Amino acid sequence: QQQVKQSPQSLIVQKGGISIINCAYENTAFDYFPWYQQFPGKGPALLIAIRPDVSEKKEGRFTISFNKSAKQFSLHIMDSQPGDSATYFCAASKENNFNKFYFGSGTKLNVKP
Amino acid sequence: ETGVTQSPTHLIKTRGQQVTLRCSSQSGHNTVSWYQQALGQGPQFIFQYYREEENGRGNFPPRFSGLQFPNYSSELNVNALELDDSALYLCASSLVSSYNEQFFGPGTRLTVL
Repeated sequence: QQQVKQSPQSLIVQKGGISIINCAYENTAFDYFPWYQQFPGKGPALLIAIRPDVSEKKEGRFTISFNKSAKQFSLHIMDSQPGDSATYFCAASKENNFNKFYFGSGTKLNVKP
Repeated sequence: ETGVTQSPTHLIKTRGQQVTLRCSSQSGHNTVSWYQQALGQGPQFIFQYYREEENGRGNFPPRFSGLQFPNYSSELNVNALELDDSALYLCASSLVSSYNEQFFGPGTRLTVL
């Protein structure tokens, strides 16, 4: 059973546009929700993360929106740039389960100049 | 501060062989997790090591085993390689007290022929 479902699989956005990636989770015990950015040939790099006690977290052009009742969270990239073109993964974990992360299947973002 | 490093970068093995992958944690980190990332998929948790002991395991068979050394570096061993073991193997380190934030290495690309 897939613990975290991510959509869309791929996304094409024009430069300056807003990129939106969505994730849904099953386990209500999850309490840490990070987003990772991965470039080809590299390992995932932490982009931004949120805990369920807040509904939104913003860092620069990146915002996480969190809906605890719907068990959904999303990543918004404002003013998308060609340098943002990468694969994005959402993930979830539980505090008492150390770092056993459950990852979504990834979204390949292509920002057109 | 030194980041997470992994070796080798690429590796080609044949079915039935054994392989050892290595990971050096980020300075000061005492927890290491290993993930398998198949092409086009999100990382899948293999296991985690803390204080030289396995501290959680994902849905992987016993032929996947590991070690953590006193300097917190780690090895992933895979016996009786199968074609489906071809993947990018990622190592991630963290400091337990940092509450789940983990840092990934660049990975080892394993190809099984």
